Amino acid sequence: NAGVTQTPKFQVLKTGQSMTLQCAQDMNHNSMYWYRQDPGMGLRLIYYSASEGTTDKGEVPNGYNVSRLNKREFSLRLESAAPSQTSVYFCASSGTGGTTIQPQHFGDGTRLSIL
Amino acid sequence: SQELEQSPQSLIVQEGKNLTINCTSSKTLYGLYWYKQKYGEGLIFLMMLQKGGEEKSHEKITAKLDEKKQQSSLHITASQPSHAGIYLCGAVYGNNRLAFGKGNQVVVIP
Repeated sequence: NAGVTQTPKFQVLKTGQSMTLQCAQDMNHNSMYWYRQDPGMGLRLIYYSASEGTTDKGEVPNGYNVSRLNKREFSLRLESAAPSQTSVYFCASSGTGGTTIQPQHFGDGTRLSIL
Repeated sequence: SQELEQSPQSLIVQEGKNLTINCTSSKTLYGLYWYKQKYGEGLIFLMMLQKGGEEKSHEKITAKLDEKKQQSSLHITASQPSHAGIYLCGAVYGNNRLAFGKGNQVVVIP
């Protein structure tokens, strides 16, 4: 049971470099999400995709772009990395169940350091 | 999210003791999740509450959502070292998007 798979697990970048974080889920979920987790700030939503072909901004979208490549994959891109983007990034996915909310399932995270 | 407050921020208990942590919302929730996170790892889904007054239990963990759907508590009975970690509550306000609290750090001393 792979669930939500994130790659890479660790990455160090220099300021100004670009990078794409990859996320894939094998649960046939419609919705996918990208969060960042910082000390003292909790988890904050960067972008989400309610279904294949759609993306929307979350709480902290500046400096990021996303692509919902297909139903399984949702990537997060940093075009010009900044030290303020040093964080742990989590991808999550969830199904849709009418009026019943569905839990989000999380990957193990990508630890990104920008020097 | 400032919409969700978790208390206490950190808690140290002796193994075998009970503990309760809380998650309070500034507005009515559509639903609430509890997750557990160990340092350096991802979030593990524990329970989901959607109805006012709802209570769910799994092994030694019980979560409740109040009638007004603005506060949830998570109670651990006879804590064990395996219960140590950060407990995060996530509130659903609409569109199945989650707003998270900052977490409750639980330390269990053998």
